[in-house]
Amino acid sequence: TQLLEQSPQFLSIQEGENLTVYCNSSSVFSSLQWYRQEPGEGPVLLVTVVTGGEVKKLKRLTFQFGDARKDSSLHITAAQPGDTGLYLCAGEAGRSYIPTFGRGTSLIVHP
Amino acid sequence: EAGVAQSPRYKIIEKRQSVAFWCNPISGHATLYWYQQILGQGPKLLIQFQNNGVVDDSQLPKDRFSAERLKGVDSTLKIQPAKLEDSAVYLCASSLDMAGSGEQFFGPGTRLTVL
Repeated sequence: TQLLEQSPQFLSIQEGENLTVYCNSSSVFSSLQWYRQEPGEGPVLLVTVVTGGEVKKLKRLTFQFGDARKDSSLHITAAQPGDTGLYLCAGEAGRSYIPTFGRGTSLIVHP
Repeated sequence: EAGVAQSPRYKIIEKRQSVAFWCNPISGHATLYWYQQILGQGPKLLIQFQNNGVVDDSQLPKDRFSAERLKGVDSTLKIQPAKLEDSAVYLCASSLDMAGSGEQFFGPGTRLTVL
């Protein structure tokens, strides 16, 4: 059973399109992180969201943490080929210090 | 600032052989993690150290996997004997402290192929 469910699992789009990926759980998280991983590399942190309802922007990427701190979304505006990669959400549920990752969304942006 | 170092980057072995991976975390980072990542999936935590103590190893297959962080700095992960299903990327990560924001810094990983 996955503590963090990510959807969609795969996404193949054209350059310039917008997209949203989701990270959902039945558990409350003290914080959630979004990472991007490129082939042959380890994940790299994009953002951490901590407060329920929080919205953070990183250039064309917008991250939102749900009010109840059980879910998060990542929206990319005008996707570019450089956005291609595996997007992972991760966090520690409740008071746990044990991190858990979702299975990831594999994004391909075609020129 | 130097990142998390891992070696080797690639390893090919036959089933039932042994293999060891090495990780040197970012200087000053108290928490060290080993993950197993199967192709197309997210990382699965195998073991988490805080300094040289184990915080969690509930998902470590202890009949064949072992890990140590004797001096609270670098760490080794060993598989003995390896099975075909152990083929994966083994990622090491470190963080300043496990009670922080949760940000982890990852190494490039070791890709293990078991034939």
